[in-house]
Amino acid sequence: GAVVSQHPSWVICKSGTSVKIECRSLDFQATTMFWYRQFPKQSLMLMATSNEGSKATYEQGVEKDKFLINHASLTLSTLTVTSAHPEDSSFYICSARESSGRMYEQYFGPGTRLTVT
Amino acid sequence: GEDVEQSLFLSVREGDSSVINCTYTDSSSTYLYWYKQEPGAGLQLLTYIFSNMDMKQDQRLTVLLNKKDKHLSLRIADTQTGDSAIYFCAEGANSNSGYALNFGKGTSLLVTP
Repeated sequence: GAVVSQHPSWVICKSGTSVKIECRSLDFQATTMFWYRQFPKQSLMLMATSNEGSKATYEQGVEKDKFLINHASLTLSTLTVTSAHPEDSSFYICSARESSGRMYEQYFGPGTRLTVT
Repeated sequence: GEDVEQSLFLSVREGDSSVINCTYTDSSSTYLYWYKQEPGAGLQLLTYIFSNMDMKQDQRLTVLLNKKDKHLSLRIADTQTGDSAIYFCAEGANSNSGYALNFGKGTSLLVTP
């Protein structure tokens, strides 16, 4: 149980285009989903917290107009990187917290590697 | 992740025990976590410990918590080559959006035959 998937697992896009990444909780409902960014050999940095049916809360320094987050259902959150640039190339990982589970447990997706050329 | 510190690299021989150490700074952290990340993959929750516990054991994994020193360790007994991965320590902390995880930079564990 508690499986989180991400799609796509790997994407290459041209500079200036937008890319959408999906995060799904497959066998549970997730009121809250989190989006992290990981640079090579670095830690995960929390970008934003997404709550179903409401606006996402962004961490300091994260541009909300550039990283659009939508959490339209209890099993799906999307992250859209708008007008992507090479510096946006990174590994994006989402996690989900069960609606009925303990608030301290998060389950992570396998990640999406974004390369912007 | 800058408030959670880990050594970056550890090498052990197969069959030996591995000990990965972590220090954190948020004394209000209620839970502390260990995650495993294999190359190109997401994070797998290995174990977590509540802040009022000193130790937690789960099969080959033993977590020790020294809350006074804000020190957390993960011991892997009888380390296998399949244990080679990056291990992240994380503390549960309050962010702009409520409760979230603050990660260290990860310790790369290399297990040699």
